[in-house]
Amino acid sequence: DTAVSQTPKYLVTQMGNDKSIKCEQNLGHDTMYWYKQDSKKFLKIMFSYNNKELIINETVPNRFSPKSPDKAHLNLHINSLELGDSAVYFCACRGATNEKLFFGSGTQLSVL
Amino acid sequence: AQSVTQLGSHVSVSEGALVLLRCNYSSSVPPYLFWYVQYPNQGLQLLLKYTTGATLVKGINGFEAEFKKSETSFHLTKPSAHMSDAAEYFCAVRKEGGSEKLVFGKGTKLTVNP
Repeated sequence: DTAVSQTPKYLVTQMGNDKSIKCEQNLGHDTMYWYKQDSKKFLKIMFSYNNKELIINETVPNRFSPKSPDKAHLNLHINSLELGDSAVYFCACRGATNEKLFFGSGTQLSVL
Repeated sequence: AQSVTQLGSHVSVSEGALVLLRCNYSSSVPPYLFWYVQYPNQGLQLLLKYTTGATLVKGINGFEAEFKKSETSFHLTKPSAHMSDAAEYFCAVRKEGGSEKLVFGKGTKLTVNP
């Protein structure tokens, strides 16, 4: 059973399209994150949710909208995709009493 | 604000040789420090962490790191490299009692030569 699962694993789309990436965790953790990893492997936090409430929004364009329907899910919707959005997007989660982040295996987004 | 600098974006060692990956941090308050490893086409996995207590921290796969406050460093070492250690390694810092944000360094790619 995968602790943090993301779908899809690969996403190829045209500029201007709208797409979503889904994330689910089965660890019962309260806090979930979205990270973006660029082509140089630099990993930057985008959003963090705690118990469905947004707690971090790192100056991400408002074309990116996270949605947490429940504690186990944090989906990422992206409007009007741009070439610069091409990256690997990682979902992660963390329990309240543990500093360890559990990462999904990533979604490689390619915008053509 | 916290920040992390990893010296050397690429480190190459021979199998059986010492692995040393450098990490320096900047934090105005006691930090929590982490090393994560990323194998190709996978998400990151925690190798080890320092929060409080003993400054020499042992992690998985024979890795360890030492928190040196005077040098603001948290270098990762392994006495003897194995081919399976080839991966990207990320140092990260989080402020104690602070926000949820974990700040990552730019990563060091470790290559192990036979």
